[in-house]
Amino acid sequence: NAGVTQTPKFQVLKTGQSMTLQCAQDMNHEYMSWYRQDPGMGLRLIHYSVGAGITDQGEVPNGYNVSRSTTEDFPLRLLSAAPSQTSVYFCASSSFRLAGGGGKNIQYFGAGTRLSVL
Amino acid sequence: DQQVKQNSPSLSVQEGRISILNCDYTNSMFDYFLWYKKYPAEGPTFLISISSIKDKNEDGRFTVFLNKSAKHLSLHIVPSQPGDSAVYFCAAKEYGNKLVFGAGTILRVKS
Repeated sequence: NAGVTQTPKFQVLKTGQSMTLQCAQDMNHEYMSWYRQDPGMGLRLIHYSVGAGITDQGEVPNGYNVSRSTTEDFPLRLLSAAPSQTSVYFCASSSFRLAGGGGKNIQYFGAGTRLSVL
Repeated sequence: DQQVKQNSPSLSVQEGRISILNCDYTNSMFDYFLWYKKYPAEGPTFLISISSIKDKNEDGRFTVFLNKSAKHLSLHIVPSQPGDSAVYFCAAKEYGNKLVFGAGTILRVKS
């Protein structure tokens, strides 16, 4: 069982370039999300999705687009990369079906994509 | 303003002793709290959690305590092992499945 798979693991971009970070999960989870991790900042939510065709903004959405055409995939697009987007990006997924009455939310994370924008 | 704070950037503990990692939060609407552990070059992995209706949850060497009146939770690791050396993130669940993370605490367990 692969869990959450992120590609690529590393990427270097020039300012203004575009790219897509891929995320796929094989656990049939409804909820998927993207975070960025910066030193001293923890993980900050960029965008999330509660199911195919439904996406919403998190805490730091500017400069990023997402779409969710299937349950399995949740790509993150940088339309015009900026040095401020240099970070480590994590994708995560979880299931509403597994949530108990107390509202459990165990998110499973991919290994991350380390992005540098020059 | 950060809703979840881990005020200790790092902690160093001797092998076999207790490690105590602390976390404070400001939003009284958080209903579930989780601890994640992260090794370098890997994604965070779930460690232990606690519902807001509980004050303690234990899983082997790991125990999480929740003090709702103080808006404080702590993770106790007893006994600490060198393999526990990692970054520990505290997270709190708000509406839906959204998590708010603290900045993390680097734990070093010395052998």
